[in-house]
Amino acid sequence: DTGVSQDPRHKITKRGQNVTFRCDPISEHNRLYWYRQTLGQGPEFLTYFQNEAQLEKSRLLSDRFSAERPKGSFSTLEIQRTEQGDSAMYLCASSIGKETQYFGPGTRLLVL
Amino acid sequence: GDSVTQMEGPVTLSEEAFLTINCTYTATGYPSLFWYVQYPGEGLQLLLKATKADDKGSNKGFEATYRKETTSFHLEKGSVQVSDSAVYFCASTSGGSNYKLTFGKGTLLTVNP
Repeated sequence: DTGVSQDPRHKITKRGQNVTFRCDPISEHNRLYWYRQTLGQGPEFLTYFQNEAQLEKSRLLSDRFSAERPKGSFSTLEIQRTEQGDSAMYLCASSIGKETQYFGPGTRLLVL
Repeated sequence: GDSVTQMEGPVTLSEEAFLTINCTYTATGYPSLFWYVQYPGEGLQLLLKATKADDKGSNKGFEATYRKETTSFHLEKGSVQVSDSAVYFCASTSGGSNYKLTFGKGTLLTVNP
């Protein structure tokens, strides 16, 4: 069990650019979640997958955001035309069914 | 929508002091409740959890009891150590959902020697 991993750990980009983050869940975890955490706040739910199916998207996830989990293993989160308000820590978590969610170290995004 | 309210920090204590961090939730039904901890430079780690009323979660000397009558899940530790310095987050599953976590804003704890 190597834990949830995320890549990259840090990303600095200019406004208007596209960015993509990757999350590798704990193997055999069928559920995968994305959260966003801004400074001084707790994580906020963005979306979740059960296997390869995306079952819910938060209203926080604008049309510029898209997430995929094509083979039910790793997931990607893409942000198109980044804005300064997208600067945050993006957290990935995984679980077996409704059991405890285990979090990765996060990807810190800074949009200049 | 559902919310979790936890005691605002920062909290500064001396080593061996007693710790309480208050947490209340609004989710209806029977949510599961969690405390996560974030050490400097690290990701969120599960500290303890409780899945039904009157359950007590415990780990590393920390405890929290699920109180449905007061919708609370306060975190306590009898004697804190410098190594407990971290940000603590209370969380609940959202009413009607067994997957979406709602977090409090976090409480920064600093323990001085």
